[in-house]
Amino acid sequence: DAMVIQNPRYQVTQFGKPVTLSCSQTLNHNVMYWYQQKSSQAPKLLFHYYDKDFNNEADTPDNFQSRRPNTSFCFLDIRSPGLGDAAMYLCATSRVGGEADTQYFGPGTRLTVL
Amino acid sequence: GQNIDQPTEMTATEGAIVQINCTYQTSGFNGLFWYQQHAGEAPTFLSYNVLDGLEEKGRFSSFLSRSKGYSYLLLKELQMKDSASYLCAVSDTGGFKTIFGAGTRLFVKA
Repeated sequence: DAMVIQNPRYQVTQFGKPVTLSCSQTLNHNVMYWYQQKSSQAPKLLFHYYDKDFNNEADTPDNFQSRRPNTSFCFLDIRSPGLGDAAMYLCATSRVGGEADTQYFGPGTRLTVL
Repeated sequence: GQNIDQPTEMTATEGAIVQINCTYQTSGFNGLFWYQQHAGEAPTFLSYNVLDGLEEKGRFSSFLSRSKGYSYLLLKELQMKDSASYLCAVSDTGGFKTIFGAGTRLFVKA
């Protein structure tokens, strides 16, 4: 089945220790997104790629970086995690235009910062 | 500014009907989505509206009024498995920007 996969599902890191979260998709969608979601809050868009074009949200901290080496894979790097970065990180994909903007989400990576 | 408002929580009884409202103010509009999110899981797509009116999909229906900046999700014949958060989201014009509401947590009781 076509899907969005995230690894790992649970990640524990120490304060200040870099961490990388990964996302892959078999849907062949042009757009890939990274969201941060804290308990009972809306998913917060961090950035997205349209093909190779990278778009950073204005309020995304510099601590967060992303790479998309090819259509299928996208990575979220947190350079120096702080306690406030503990959250669920959701990767999503979509095509473009109207209902094609429908986003397909991976299962998420829950990040704990000690 | 960009804003989506939905009630924080609702409770309903198994077998009943529940309506979850959403109002939005966004700089552009390219469609409204409803997603279901079970606790600790990713959101999954439920419905899409871009024109005014009602879209029906089995037990779930979604309504849109663009002039009022208003939508609702109607769930019929509620089942226990419908206990989840329901996220209202608006796709902004200019592409790739979907604004999510904080979600409405629905509790279905026996």
